[in-house]
Amino acid sequence: DVKVTQSSRYLVKRTGEKVFLECVQDMDHENMFWYRQDPGLGLRLIYFSYDVKMKEKGDIPEGYSVSREKKERFSLILESASTNQTSMYLCASSLRLAGATYNEQFFGPGTRLTVL
Amino acid sequence: EDQVTQSPEALRLQEGESSSLNCSYTVSGLRGLFWYRQDPGKGPEFLFTLYSAGEEKEKERLKATLTKKESFLHITAPKPEDSATYLCAVTSGTYKYIFGTGTRLKVLA
Repeated sequence: DVKVTQSSRYLVKRTGEKVFLECVQDMDHENMFWYRQDPGLGLRLIYFSYDVKMKEKGDIPEGYSVSREKKERFSLILESASTNQTSMYLCASSLRLAGATYNEQFFGPGTRLTVL
Repeated sequence: EDQVTQSPEALRLQEGESSSLNCSYTVSGLRGLFWYRQDPGKGPEFLFTLYSAGEEKEKERLKATLTKKESFLHITAPKPEDSATYLCAVTSGTYKYIFGTGTRLKVLA
């Protein structure tokens, strides 16, 4: 079974703090993703990584950065947390077959971040 | 612009009352349609992948079908444990997966 784990289930931070969210997958997947999920808006892609040190911006990258130093680990960084970044953050991974990126994603349990 | 619309937003069923959830999509070249189940406070759990019109997949009480414009998730004789939000997503072959906002299903005993 694919397992994706996230460093925290719940996190409370203050405005202006630097926040690190970590994600680890154990199935040797090439692709990793960070989403945020808000009521009525669905899942929105923040960043995507297709290999170590490689990244692509998603639909809402502003205020976020990412790091992928090892294949199994993908970190999301909130440089200076703001209240509008209060959300559920979901990490996902997927296998990349030759030339294809459209495989199913496997999600972690999520981190509920509250910024006060 | 690629888009996914799910209906209904919410659905209440009696245990054993079969029904269908709809996922309508517009995408420039469908390369995959995915169904997920999400329980409150948890991450989505993968259910099915469909790639071409006419394809069907089944798992226990769930059956997913695909046409050129929409997908249906049929739930046969649901049980209370089937209560969850069901998400649909599509991709046109890039790393971007477009998600719908989901259907919240409640099955009453």
